[in-house]
Amino acid sequence: GENVEQHPSTLSVQEGDSAVIKCTYSDSASNYFPWYKQELGKRPQLIIDIRSNVGEKKDQRIAVTLNKTAKHFSLHITETQPEDSAVYFCAASMGGGSQGNLIFGKGTKLSVKP
Amino acid sequence: EAGVAQSPRYKIIEKRQSVAFWCNPISGHATLYWYQQILGQGPKLLIQFQNNGVVDDSQLPKDRFSAERLKGVDSTLKIQPAKLEDSAVYLCASSLGTGNNEKLFFGSGTQLSVL
Repeated sequence: GENVEQHPSTLSVQEGDSAVIKCTYSDSASNYFPWYKQELGKRPQLIIDIRSNVGEKKDQRIAVTLNKTAKHFSLHITETQPEDSAVYFCAASMGGGSQGNLIFGKGTKLSVKP
Repeated sequence: EAGVAQSPRYKIIEKRQSVAFWCNPISGHATLYWYQQILGQGPKLLIQFQNNGVVDDSQLPKDRFSAERLKGVDSTLKIQPAKLEDSAVYLCASSLGTGNNEKLFFGSGTQLSVL
């Protein structure tokens, strides 16, 4: 079945620096890759997503890149702020008949130090 | 727009007891998901409904877990009997349609502690 690996598990940066989180997936039929931010005790919230027909997508300080050949995708956060501190999860859609099912990575705990 | 509603927010039970969780998806969303999130891990899909039918329950431990969405709106997830390893946050999510690549919106979850 689909497997999603996420690295690093923890990431600490200084305010204003950039943060990069990387994920790899195993199912070549996956074609949808969302990123979720989860603050302590709160629900996961979608922050950006990318589909397989696009190589890069940007939304203000957040960008996601996708390399379908290598089966990896990355989240880039520029000019980090303390409020970016949270756990970030990548996910990949399952191919085949399981429409909409997402397989999640184990998460990256991002700490932005002021 | 109202989000996905879940209750209760917290639940503490002893092993071998039963527990039920409730979810009300975003109005008009056809697809509903139950995810289990163990501390320190990403959410894991338990079951997916499309309207009132089950699309995927391959990872649902059917000897103790059951779920229903009788009228295609609200859903309940039940565990009977609970085990210590069931301690987790149970997240409900919904999406608008039934096609692939639909955006999922999560509820706040029910945090279950099994003692």
